[in-house]
Amino acid sequence: DQQVKQNSPSLSVQEGRISILNCDYTNSMFDYFLWYKKYPAEGPTFLISISSIKDKNEDGRFTVFLNKSAKHLSLHIVPSQPGDSAVYFCAASAGMDTGRRALTFGSGTRLQVQP
Amino acid sequence: EPEVTQTPSHQVTQMGQEVILRCVPISNHLYFYWYRQILGQKVEFLVSFYNNEISEKSEIFDDQFSVERPDGSNFTLKIRSTKLEDSAMYFCASSEVGSPSYNEQFFGPGTRLTVL
Repeated sequence: DQQVKQNSPSLSVQEGRISILNCDYTNSMFDYFLWYKKYPAEGPTFLISISSIKDKNEDGRFTVFLNKSAKHLSLHIVPSQPGDSAVYFCAASAGMDTGRRALTFGSGTRLQVQP
Repeated sequence: EPEVTQTPSHQVTQMGQEVILRCVPISNHLYFYWYRQILGQKVEFLVSFYNNEISEKSEIFDDQFSVERPDGSNFTLKIRSTKLEDSAMYFCASSEVGSPSYNEQFFGPGTRLTVL
């Protein structure tokens, strides 16, 4: 099941620079998208979300962009900090109208921010 | 800051035994979920629960699994007869009901289940 794909298993950036994490989806029914950060031996931590009626949502250093026609979303972290080093998961759900809430996760991208 | 808690952090059991994983969702949340992550694989949805009943479940959530909200704070996942392939990290999550945070799910730290 590859409905949500994160094609880059890892990404390394310098502290202070921009980190861009990408996610593609195939299910056109998805209408709500989320990014989670995960440290080893911990649960996913919610970062930011976006509904399909928007193309951008910003929260501090984190911005999510949604391109519905391309079925693509990205997470921008500016400026990147060493504490941002973690695995980032993209997730999607298809239920704003129907009430369905099951999240479908991508495989994750490991971000390493070099000091 | 309110958080989802899960107990135990690690559960070891023999194949065929019953296990109960426990979760305390965030107190004002009304939607509850279980997910699992088998080592090296994606996080997978198992079940969602609202208003004292299952609202959605995946094909993984077969008759061996059940969920319950036995009181006003706990949410449990029971596996009746564990199999080797049930070994995984099990995450509980909860969310509010209304917009704009309609499906922002907050996860607990997980229970690592090891079936021998």
